[in-house]
Formats: sequence, C-alpha cells, structure tokens
Amino acid sequence: GAVVSQHPSWVICKSGTSVKIECRSLDFQATTMFWYRQFPKQSLMLMATSNEGSKATYEQGVEKDKFLINHASLTLSTLTVTSAHPEDSSFYICSARGYLGLAGLETQYFGPGTRLLVL
Amino acid sequence: GIQVEQSPPDLILQEGANSTLRCNFSDSVNNLQWFHQNPWGQLINLFYIPSGTKQNGRLSATTVATERYSLLYISSSQTTDSGVYFCAVEPPDSWGKFQFGAGTQVVVTP
Repeated sequence: GAVVSQHPSWVICKSGTSVKIECRSLDFQATTMFWYRQFPKQSLMLMATSNEGSKATYEQGVEKDKFLINHASLTLSTLTVTSAHPEDSSFYICSARGYLGLAGLETQYFGPGTRLLVL
Repeated sequence: GIQVEQSPPDLILQEGANSTLRCNFSDSVNNLQWFHQNPWGQLINLFYIPSGTKQNGRLSATTVATERYSLLYISSSQTTDSGVYFCAVEPPDSWGKFQFGAGTQVVVTP
C-alpha cells in the first residue's frame, strides 16, 4: 500500500546549524504535502502546506524564513530548519496527498515523523 | 474552527482486555483518520474512515458522520498497543488540513 517515509527518523544538532528533513511519497504522486509539528505531550499542529512546483503557504505564527519548505517533485518535499535553536526541538511530521492507483482515488497519508533535538 | 474532542484522555488496560476510544467533532467533515503514536514517537496510520466501519486485525473503527463521532475499538489488547491514539478530521473548507484531537494515552500492562 501507499507509504510516506521521512528521513532521518531522528536528528541531534548543535544550536545555530541547519537541519534538512525529507518527506517522500512511495507508490503515489503527492500533489500536495503538509508539514506538522508536535511539541512534547501535545497534539500535532499544522505548520505549512506545499504544492509541487510552487511556494509553500504557512500557518499563522510560523516563520517562513525559519522553516524553509521545498516541494521540487511529486514524490519529495523537504523541510529545512534554519539556524536551529533548542526551542525548535520537536517532532516534525509530513503528510502527502495525491491520487492512488488506476482508479485515481484521492488519498492522504502521514509519515512516521522526525524527532529533532537541538543542543 | 472545528473542535475535535477525544475521550478518555487516559486509559490503563490489562493485557487481553477490550476498549473503546471515542472522537467527537463539532462540525461536518470530509475525512477522518485514526493514528497510533507508539512510545518511540512514530506515527502509524490506522484507519482512513470518513464513514462506515473498517477492521484491521484486532482493531476496528466506526464513523457515524451524521452524528459527528467516531469510535476506535481495540480487542484483546497487547502491550504493543500502548501509546497515544489520535483522531484527526478534515473540515470541508480546509482541504487536506487535518485538525487533530488531543489524543488518548493508552497503557497496556502485562
């Protein structure tokens, strides 16, 4: 079945460095990808929406210059946390939406998440 | 915006027990999904269920869209079922932007 993968699954970095997280859709082409963030003991909150080949749109309160999103192909979106600081430590989850199979069934799957720890 | 309420917030089960988790939502939705976040943090898709009933092994889910609720059933629970179960809904005016509930923390003891 359709799967969404994320890489890496976890990452530790020093404060001030940038970290790139990849989100790939397998078995289907994702016309739209969504990025979510989860703080400890909390639920998931939408950060941004990206369509293939166009600029991402960000939810209110999310810094677009801090969280760079690139959706260069129908199977890959990347989130780059620039100049990461300890407060950026969180769990980042992507979701991919597209059309699956010959019937073109519209579907949306979530990736397993990437845990970021900034020291 | 739409409100998503999950109950109970916490659940402790003995291995082998059955349980029901509930998700209420305040408005009509296009889609609804159930997820399991395991103790290592990985998010696992369980069901994509805007309406009707689906079953996958020991888990099943039912969504009654007209009454704005969904139920997740766990039968013969195992310790590997521990974790947080999230319900997420897609409002009609927010294509693809799922709104998550606060989750139900489940602990299954041996």
